[in-house]
Amino acid sequence: EVQLVESGGGLIQPGGSLRISCAASGLDVSNNYMTWVRQAPGKGLEWVSIIFAAGTTFYSDSVKGRFTISRDNSENTLYLQMNTLRAEDTAVYYCGRGLGGATCCHFDSWGQGTVVTVSS
Amino acid sequence: DIQMTQSPSTLSASVGDRVTITCRASQSVTNCLAWYQQKPGKAPKLLIYKASTLESGVPSRFSGSGSGTEFTLTISSLQPDDSATYYCQQYRRYWTFGQGTKVEVK
Repeated sequence: EVQLVESGGGLIQPGGSLRISCAASGLDVSNNYMTWVRQAPGKGLEWVSIIFAAGTTFYSDSVKGRFTISRDNSENTLYLQMNTLRAEDTAVYYCGRGLGGATCCHFDSWGQGTVVTVSS
Repeated sequence: DIQMTQSPSTLSASVGDRVTITCRASQSVTNCLAWYQQKPGKAPKLLIYKASTLESGVPSRFSGSGSGTEFTLTISSLQPDDSATYYCQQYRRYWTFGQGTKVEVK
């Protein structure tokens, strides 16, 4: 059974940095498409970033240049390093596993989310 | 960027009703379209992928159709447990979600 457990969220001041984590079991983060999706309070889902098994990464325009997705294969953990945080980055951050063939991906497994609040 | 537009934004229907949600893409996404259900305080749950393939374990009252730019999610007989917000997502070019459709069961 796939389990994804996010952690590391919290209250951070604008301009600050935070790294959130997603510990995986039942799958190898190194062999899967792994993604971060966020949801601002009362709003819809917004795709943030994805890392392919080969290591290729993609980012939404709203976080490009500020956020970095990475993984630690030995810890089987996905990370999102968030720098220069803004109030509009306040959200629940979900990690997920992507599945796809010729085209990636729909997201079939999700964590419970970690809350990031950017406020002074 | 590919924009995804869902309609309606909210709907209210009775138990047993047939419910349809529409998702339109700003350009063709072929069949690279998924549907998710999300309940308050919970993570999204995959219902449908490749526009019409039912995810394992999802009740058969859920179905998806469409290709190109227009897609529908149908609940054939609405149940109380279906009260949730539903999102479409394209994965033809990068990844984009629709704004969501909130379904209330009367």
